[in-house]
Amino acid sequence: EVQLVESGGGLVQPGGSLKVSCVGSGLTLSGSAIHWVRQASGKGLEWVGRIRTRNKKFETAYAASVKGRFTISKDDSKNTAYLQMNSLKTEDTAVYYCTRLKEVEQNFDYWGQGTLVTVSS
Amino acid sequence: QTVVTQEPSLSVSPGGTVTLTCGLRTGSVTTSSYASWYQQTPGQAPRTLIYNTNIRSSGVPDRFSGSILGNRAALTITGAQADDESDYFCLLFMGSGIWVFGGGTKLTVL
Repeated sequence: EVQLVESGGGLVQPGGSLKVSCVGSGLTLSGSAIHWVRQASGKGLEWVGRIRTRNKKFETAYAASVKGRFTISKDDSKNTAYLQMNSLKTEDTAVYYCTRLKEVEQNFDYWGQGTLVTVSS
Repeated sequence: QTVVTQEPSLSVSPGGTVTLTCGLRTGSVTTSSYASWYQQTPGQAPRTLIYNTNIRSSGVPDRFSGSILGNRAALTITGAQADDESDYFCLLFMGSGIWVFGGGTKLTVL
């Protein structure tokens, strides 16, 4: 089965850091742009950011709400994308999803099941 | 402030037709917005219904269709069924690598 699997969520104090991962299973991430989307409990979806492929120089882009605090990276040798979150705030508490954008179609065709990040003292 | 706007809630009768829309606080949605639509039930990951304005994702029933209506993107459900009751989100490309979700529409089938 083709899927994306997130891991690494957990409880972190305000001001702290956390790194979550997104592994492709049956899906090669080296040819994929990976986006991160989050959802606070009872709220809507929020686009967080993305990283493109090696051919696109691993270009990144971020939502204004996380720019300067979050960093997205990829390790093609591990078929894994990462979301490094620093200077975390209570409002960053959410389920974080990774999703693959098939850029030639502009199609977010695969989604992970999400990992919960809780920022609380 | 909400940049991408959706109706907060809509209702439709079983077998009826409903159109959800997705607009910009300023400006128009065009094909270059690459509008996509997602269905989400509580506790589940989003499910892609429509991408690139009007292309149905694999396995999505043909009662779901996407279009541009005036200056907004639209998702039309024709012949609504009980299990279409869900939250629906649109996503627009804003340029410079930035994407923005709408606030979502809660659809009730009754």
